[in-house]
Amino acid sequence: KQEVTQIPAALSVPEGENLVLNCSFTDSAIYNLQWFRQDPGKGLTSLLLIQSSQREQTSGRLNASLDKSSGRSTLYIAASQPGDSATYLCAVSYSGAGSYQLTFGKGTKLSVIP
Amino acid sequence: NAGVTQTPKFRILKIGQSMTLQCTQDMNHNYMYWYRQDPGMGLKLIYYSVGAGITDKGEVPNGYNVSRSTTEDFPLRLELAAPSQTSVYFCASSQGQGRSYTFGSGTRLTVV
Repeated sequence: KQEVTQIPAALSVPEGENLVLNCSFTDSAIYNLQWFRQDPGKGLTSLLLIQSSQREQTSGRLNASLDKSSGRSTLYIAASQPGDSATYLCAVSYSGAGSYQLTFGKGTKLSVIP
Repeated sequence: NAGVTQTPKFRILKIGQSMTLQCTQDMNHNYMYWYRQDPGMGLKLIYYSVGAGITDKGEVPNGYNVSRSTTEDFPLRLELAAPSQTSVYFCASSQGQGRSYTFGSGTRLTVV
């Protein structure tokens, strides 16, 4: 069974700092990996999607990388802002049976201190 | 640009009651999903649909039912509410496998 782990569970940084969020998965036969942002009491917003054939994706100050062989992905946030404070979720879909299902990590709660 | 709309936003049910959580999307996505999110846990897939008339079970389907009569709507039915169904329920849609998801804002359900 695919398992997704996100470490740390919570992270607090001063404004302006660059930071990295980590995601690891147990089954390297993934179809793609997505990073989401969730604000308190709100739904999830898709940030970046990386196909299994890709190594990274970039959107503005966000960069996500994927290393299938080691079962890891990172989300890099440059020049963090208080508005980046939220919970960041990593989710993978994998090939074969159950491929329509996203397996989610429990998330990293990020606080950016002004 | 409504995206995925879920109603109601909040609901309190008594044990044994029934209700339907509504989900509508206006993006003409074929794929739709229902997830539940419990505190400190990752989201778990309840049911999904790859098109009108086609539904299938996810990881935690017990106690729930779905239907998909149109591309736009994917309601989730709870027949006999139990305290274990207290959770936040999210509906989502995508254009297909490998495409990004769009989530609704969620329904917070409490069963007492």
